[in-house]
Amino acid sequence: GENVEQHPSTLSVQEGDSAVIKCTYSDSASNYFPWYKQELGKGPQLIIDIRSNVGEKKDQRIAVTLNKTAKHFSLHITETQPEDSAVYFCAARGSTLGRLYFGRGTQLTVWP
Amino acid sequence: GAVVSQHPSWVICKSGTSVKIECRSLDFQATTMFWYRQFPKQSLMLMATSNEGSKATYEQGVEKDKFLINHASLTLSTLTVTSAHPEDSSFYICSARAETGPGGANVLTFGAGSRLTVL
Repeated sequence: GENVEQHPSTLSVQEGDSAVIKCTYSDSASNYFPWYKQELGKGPQLIIDIRSNVGEKKDQRIAVTLNKTAKHFSLHITETQPEDSAVYFCAARGSTLGRLYFGRGTQLTVWP
Repeated sequence: GAVVSQHPSWVICKSGTSVKIECRSLDFQATTMFWYRQFPKQSLMLMATSNEGSKATYEQGVEKDKFLINHASLTLSTLTVTSAHPEDSSFYICSARAETGPGGANVLTFGAGSRLTVL
């Protein structure tokens, strides 16, 4: 099956700085890569996703890049705010109806 | 957007009792729902895939007689933890796949999770 590696496990940044979280995947057939934000005691919330026919996608302060050749994708958050503090999970899916494979998560802390 | 409601959000029960957790897709039909378990500061562990009208598919190592899953309609799946013990205490999260929607096809939406504590 798919193996998703996520780094770093923890990330601390100053408010206003950028944060980057990186993930790699093993299955070249994977074609859908969502990112989820999970706040304490809550379920994961989809914040952005990218499909394999696109190299980059942006939504206001967040962006995701995908390198299919290298099999890695990254989440970029610019102008970070304290409310961005949460655990972020990357995931990969191999087929339209297939399961998601999650990374281990990154605890992002934004200091005011 | 797609909304998934999960109930209860937290439950405390005595050892040996059974607990049912409901997962509902509020504004879309979900032929497939997924049940996850999450330990503190860890990733989501897929327990089973629930398909409407058929038996759930369990991941390796998950006891299907302990974690009963029913997906009787296109908007409701239930997880019943039978004869619960303290080691079953965990955060259980469901998700549902919206086949179409503003976010694109086959986007997975998660419920808010259910915190189970077995005394």
